[in-house]
Amino acid sequence: DAGVIQSPRHEVTEMGQEVTLRCKPISGHNSLFWYRQTMMRGLELLIYFNNNVPIDDSGMPEDRFSAKMPNASFSTLKIQPSEPRDSAVYFCASSFDRLYQPQHFGDGTRLSIL
Amino acid sequence: RKEVEQDPGPFNVPEGATVAFNCTYSNSASQSFFWYRQDCRKEPKLLMSVYSSGNEDGRFTAQLNRASQYISLLIRDSKLSDSATYLCVVNLQDSGYSTLTFGKGTMLLVSP
Repeated sequence: DAGVIQSPRHEVTEMGQEVTLRCKPISGHNSLFWYRQTMMRGLELLIYFNNNVPIDDSGMPEDRFSAKMPNASFSTLKIQPSEPRDSAVYFCASSFDRLYQPQHFGDGTRLSIL
Repeated sequence: RKEVEQDPGPFNVPEGATVAFNCTYSNSASQSFFWYRQDCRKEPKLLMSVYSSGNEDGRFTAQLNRASQYISLLIRDSKLSDSATYLCVVNLQDSGYSTLTFGKGTMLLVSP
């Protein structure tokens, strides 16, 4: 069974550049989550979609960050313009939106902004 | 007060030892609980769900104490491969949607 698929696995770019991270959730899951993980702050929820609709984006750091989910099998997280403090591991996860259902994570994208 | 708190560790134990981690949560309306495991430079993976009556999966035992608002994870007969960070996760359903809150994790190092 295919799990959550994220791309790219690694991204190194210069500050000011646009960065686009991609995610394909597990087929049939109706909830999708974007997280950011750093040593200092741990795992932080950025945004949460349910049935392709953004439900909670209170974790999105600022207007430079945007996320879309045009259909049930694809989502993007975009940072424009990128800054060095955006360097982190970005995870996408999906689940059935029911209580007691755990989330399944992708391998993550390791982002370095120089 | 943080929503989900864990001792960051590291817990250093020898192979074969028994080790226990606790995790406290602040929202008494929290409804379901999980332990995830995260290896270095890898994604978090579900280890086990935590049920009200407590549950066991091989060498791993999870307990929930709703009155004191904490969950625990007990690992018996530790293996080298148990070395990882263990994340406590709490699920709250609000306005019809479920949200998971992750603790920052407890690091376990099992040595030969």
